[in-house]
Amino acid sequence: TQLLEQSPQFLSIQEGENLTVYCNSSSVFSSLQWYRQEPGEGPVLLVTVVTGGEVKKLKRLTFQFGDARKDSSLHITAAQPGDTGLYLCAGEGSGGGADGLTFGKGTHLIIQP
Amino acid sequence: KAGVTQTPRYLIKTRGQQVTLSCSPISGHRSVSWYQQTPGQGLQFLFEYFSETQRNKGNFPGRFSGRQFSNSRSEMNVSTLELGDSALYLCASSLALIDTQYFGPGTRLTVL
Repeated sequence: TQLLEQSPQFLSIQEGENLTVYCNSSSVFSSLQWYRQEPGEGPVLLVTVVTGGEVKKLKRLTFQFGDARKDSSLHITAAQPGDTGLYLCAGEGSGGGADGLTFGKGTHLIIQP
Repeated sequence: KAGVTQTPRYLIKTRGQQVTLSCSPISGHRSVSWYQQTPGQGLQFLFEYFSETQRNKGNFPGRFSGRQFSNSRSEMNVSTLELGDSALYLCASSLALIDTQYFGPGTRLTVL
């Protein structure tokens, strides 16, 4: 069974600060996705990383896939209240998706004005 | 293009009852996946359908079942409801298997 551990579980910071959220596993994933979910809504895809060592930027968000494709990080620069939400990482197994996406339990992020 | 729609959005049932949830994928998407989300376990994969056939199944008891119709719409059914089945049930659609998934808003099921 593939597991994804996310840390921290909860994070509350002030507007303008920087933060990093981690997603770790002992398993190799063919790709890894980051989602943001707001209350009462389904997760919305932010990015997919596929290649080990890959770095992708989405405005103030920077996503990195580990060289061994077992871990990933999400860094937010100058956080804004609109960044508040549940951030989920999800891995596509190297077995061709036979088990669907494996999700971490998420990081609850609150950005205070 | 309209997103994934799920009905109903909220549902209250009692133990022992059964429930059917519906999902309409994005137009043109042929794959539909279902997930259960709870505070304790997070998002867990239930099953995936493609071209009316179940392609993958997660580790859930047989009380959880689903089907997909020729227009790609999907339903999932939970029989003999238990308190622990209270959760947000999310449907996601994609163009094909192993493709980017787009989630609906979910159905919030409460079992009393």
